Amino acid sequence: DAGITQSPRHKVTETGTPVTLRCHQTENHRYMYWYRQDPGHGLRLIHYSYGVKDTDKGEVSDGYSVSRSKTEDFLLTLESATSSQTSVYFCAIRPGGRVAGGGEQYFGPGTRLTVT
Amino acid sequence: GENVEQHPSTLSVQEGDSAVIKCTYSDSASNYFPWYKQELGKRPQLIIDIRSNVGEKKDQRIAVTLNKTAKHFSLHITETQPEDSAVYFCAGGAQKLVFGQGTRLTINP
Repeated sequence: DAGITQSPRHKVTETGTPVTLRCHQTENHRYMYWYRQDPGHGLRLIHYSYGVKDTDKGEVSDGYSVSRSKTEDFLLTLESATSSQTSVYFCAIRPGGRVAGGGEQYFGPGTRLTVT
Repeated sequence: GENVEQHPSTLSVQEGDSAVIKCTYSDSASNYFPWYKQELGKRPQLIIDIRSNVGEKKDQRIAVTLNKTAKHFSLHITETQPEDSAVYFCAGGAQKLVFGQGTRLTINP
């Protein structure tokens, strides 16, 4: 499973509260990604990181922020959770990380977040 | 940006028959096209991928074809088995991937 863990695995929170999800990897991969998965939408990229302190937005970044202060951890924060952010969140890593080309991504086990 | 469309959304085949799932993409700069299989409650698992400099790739019962001119790629599963039942996702891109909406494949015994 490419040494990826996510925490927490399940969380229920109330609208308006901040929430932070953690993705941890053990193999020093440069690229890390956060996706959300909703019925009928497949997987949609929220943010990704290509190195410590280097991050960029994905297609559904509004309402989310990320931080990567060390190689092994990529944090996703919902500053003020809303019901529309109820989803399953997957972290992914990309081994190798060639700058110019795409490469395989491996997913963590996911976090199921419910915002009431 | 990239847009990936996947068809069909559901597919039901008899065990032993073949299954084909098709995807189209919009960005000619995309150079990497993976396919993922996701079982209920599990994470997506990479099953096969293809790069833009290759037209076809095969791994046992699974094959992927890519037509760069037409901007479409397909997943072919032969001799389907009950354990092939799952949701399959295509994706396209480079540094970032855009995923299709998924195909729920059901193998009927």
